[in-house]
Amino acid sequence: SQTIHQWPATLVQPVGSPLSLECTVEGTSNPNLYWYRQAAGRGLQLLFYSVGIGQISSEVPQNLSASRPQDRQFILSSKKLLLSDSGFYLCAWRDRGRNSPLHFGNGTRLTVT
Amino acid sequence: GDSVTQMEGPVTLSEEAFLTINCTYTATGYPSLFWYVQYPGEGLQLLLKATKADDKGSNKGFEATYRKETTSFHLEKGSVQVSDSAVYFCALDNDYKLSFGAGTTVTVRA
Repeated sequence: SQTIHQWPATLVQPVGSPLSLECTVEGTSNPNLYWYRQAAGRGLQLLFYSVGIGQISSEVPQNLSASRPQDRQFILSSKKLLLSDSGFYLCAWRDRGRNSPLHFGNGTRLTVT
Repeated sequence: GDSVTQMEGPVTLSEEAFLTINCTYTATGYPSLFWYVQYPGEGLQLLLKATKADDKGSNKGFEATYRKETTSFHLEKGSVQVSDSAVYFCALDNDYKLSFGAGTTVTVRA
């Protein structure tokens, strides 16, 4: 069966520090991968998605970047965190095919102080 | 662009009450529609889906019907339980990516 791992679960970082959140998927190949951010009361915002190794699409201009160094690994990064980067970050995957559902990780709660 | 609008919460109900969460969408083409649920401290889980007009998705007593004429996908449950307390998200899929509504927080009291 397929599983998705996302870590860390919680993170407190000072303003200006770097960020690296990692997500890996097991039990499938060639998945589409996604990073979402959930800010309080604002729903889910798509940040990045990837349809293959090295292929990253950015949905909004951010202080963030994403990389996909391996087929089932998706990394969210920042060189210098801002206070506004605080939120709940969710990684997700889906099989190729428009009707396949997203499968989410348990999320990372990031607090920038 | 594609977008989803769902009713604002929070919604507070008593156990065994009827629940409706409205969801409407704007999209080109023929999107698939989903409802996701997020329990406290967890990621999102798929609740149900519908892939074409007039399809009805159902799961755990929840239902939603894909209405193309009204561009809606309202979620309903006839008798809620305390365990249904969660945040519910409506979503549409019209390309590689899903667009989500803002979420509706539902609290069910015993």
